[in-house]
Amino acid sequence: DTGVSQDPRHKITKRGQNVTFRCDPISEHNRLYWYRQTLGQGPEFLTYFQNEAQLEKSRLLSDRFSAERPKGSFSTLEIQRTEQGDSAMYLCASSLARGGFRDEQFFGPGTRLTVL
Amino acid sequence: GENVEQHPSTLSVQEGDSAVIKCTYSDSASNYFPWYKQELGKRPQLIIDIRSNVGEKKDQRIAVTLNKTAKHFSLHITETQPEDSAVYFCAASSSGYALNFGKGTSLLVTP
Repeated sequence: DTGVSQDPRHKITKRGQNVTFRCDPISEHNRLYWYRQTLGQGPEFLTYFQNEAQLEKSRLLSDRFSAERPKGSFSTLEIQRTEQGDSAMYLCASSLARGGFRDEQFFGPGTRLTVL
Repeated sequence: GENVEQHPSTLSVQEGDSAVIKCTYSDSASNYFPWYKQELGKRPQLIIDIRSNVGEKKDQRIAVTLNKTAKHFSLHITETQPEDSAVYFCAASSSGYALNFGKGTSLLVTP
């Protein structure tokens, strides 16, 4: 499968625990995005990377959230001290920015987080 | 920040009829408007997009129209089929990276 992959697909944790998700983008894509989607809502932008540089973070990304893309390939999203309000689907997307107009974002299957 | 509103939230049509979903946006700097289809339990997939330098784009049974003055854009699906049943999201972007999504429209096409 050459699409965006995410691991794990499901995560159940207790409030206060830390969790980490991984995203593997399409191999030649230089941009990587994290979104959060709750039931009945559209995805909400969290952050994005151009290669290994994190260039933008949404105000939704509290201090408990941290994302990395150390070698410009895969990315991790860590949530510390999880809260019940963190329960959501965490979607990763990637795109190939070539300086032109088109920058289609391809989404992964998501990691569904449930905080008990 | 950008605010995207989408209507209707649910839409039921008979097979063969047309479906129209409408979105409005608030940021006049928005210049990219994609539409995503999300089937139950699956990832969002791009079905069509439009840039602010054109007013309409068509791809087989799917078309999107954009009115920059009024800040609204619409998705038109003709000759609907049961496999078109899904949740459709519109989005707008002014930054070139962050997509601001609407809340989605659940489309049901009945045979």
